[in-house]
Amino acid sequence: DAKTTQPNSMESNEEEPVHLPCNHSTISGTDYIHWYRQLPSQGPEYVIHGLTSNVNNRMASLAIAEDRKSSTLILHRATLRDAAVYYCILRDGEETSGSRLTFGEGTQLTVNP
Amino acid sequence: EPEVTQTPSHQVTQMGQEVILRCVPISNHLYFYWYRQILGQKVEFLVSFYNNEISEKSEIFDDQFSVERPDGSNFTLKIRSTKLEDSAMYFCASTFWLANGNTIYFGEGSWLTVV
Repeated sequence: DAKTTQPNSMESNEEEPVHLPCNHSTISGTDYIHWYRQLPSQGPEYVIHGLTSNVNNRMASLAIAEDRKSSTLILHRATLRDAAVYYCILRDGEETSGSRLTFGEGTQLTVNP
Repeated sequence: EPEVTQTPSHQVTQMGQEVILRCVPISNHLYFYWYRQILGQKVEFLVSFYNNEISEKSEIFDDQFSVERPDGSNFTLKIRSTKLEDSAMYFCASTFWLANGNTIYFGEGSWLTVV
């Protein structure tokens, strides 16, 4: 899997927007950009994914750069429950053999009350 | 919303004992996975399983580990002779298909402590 780079940690205040960046300069044309998060003592949880266009769902928005070499996960109004490690992971959209998701270190998001 | 369920949530076992961790993937899913996370470390891939056979495994998944889908609903991870370093949180995951960026769903994990 192509490599992603994320800041080790970020801080935000409750009810403010949070922009979590991810660099993936070696992304291939068929790689989807996935975001997962892991709350303390829980399993990874799917957040959002996209290929080229910006994506929105009930949890977050994903803004993808035009050259696809970077992306930003946007939490519109952070809550204390959003404090977690956020992982940006690339997955080949043409992969059909069922192979792995490769987790990096992720970004530890702290939300201040 | 459908979810992946895992049992037990926590197990303590003596070194050298066999352990079976159980998972019920989401019912229409076709691909199944085990991951583990040692305390304070990254989530690591162990094995993927499709069509009743292993499709990929990591270097961690040695002869002490095995997986099985015994009855069409459960998916199990067996550790034959546990070592202290097997202490970790083990996550089961499943997906319907991986093409086109399909989502992989994870369970809440089984915490294994080897003493």
